[in-house]
Amino acid sequence: KQEVTQIPAALSVPEGENLVLNCSFTDSAIYNLQWFRQDPGKGLTSLLLIQSSQREQTSGRLNASLDKSSGRSTLYIAASQPGDSATYLCAVRPLGGGSTLGRLYFGRGTQLTVWP
Amino acid sequence: GAVVSQHPSRVICKSGTSVKIECRSLDFQATTMFWYRQFPKQSLMLMATSNEGSKATYEQGVEKDKFLINHASLTLSTLTVTSAHPEDSSFYICSASRAAGGRTDTQYFGPGTRLTVL
Repeated sequence: KQEVTQIPAALSVPEGENLVLNCSFTDSAIYNLQWFRQDPGKGLTSLLLIQSSQREQTSGRLNASLDKSSGRSTLYIAASQPGDSATYLCAVRPLGGGSTLGRLYFGRGTQLTVWP
Repeated sequence: GAVVSQHPSRVICKSGTSVKIECRSLDFQATTMFWYRQFPKQSLMLMATSNEGSKATYEQGVEKDKFLINHASLTLSTLTVTSAHPEDSSFYICSASRAAGGRTDTQYFGPGTRLTVL
């Protein structure tokens, strides 16, 4: 069974810092990996999706990398802002079919606080 | 595009009552919908996968008679928590996919429903 781990569980930094959030997964047979943002009491907002054949994806100040063979992904946030404060979730979609088709396995998330 | 709504956003009920949560895809047809549950500071755990017009597939450990899922149309899926108990209190999130769980299709998530059972 796929297990997804995110480190650190929480992070508190001053505005302007560059950040790295880590995600690891136990089974490298994935179709893609996705990073989400979740604000308190809210649903999920997709940030970046990396297909298994890709090494990284970028969107604005966000950059996500994927090393499938080692089961790792990192989310890099440049020049952090207070508005970036949220929980960041990593999720993988396995290659398997049948009952696992389309499902996502989530990590517990990294709770980020950026203070002014 | 690709907006998913949930109703209600928050519900408080007494123990023993049943609660229905709706998940709607507003601007696309969702062949597949997924229901997740999230406890505080925990990851989202998939409860079940529902395909329009067929029975839902439940994850191991999820009681299908307690969590009734109906996906009667391409834009609506409902989750009914029957005889709710305080341990059912959680954040329930749905997601919708255009394809039948196809690998090429993205899941779009709803805003979630906070259930509190007294």
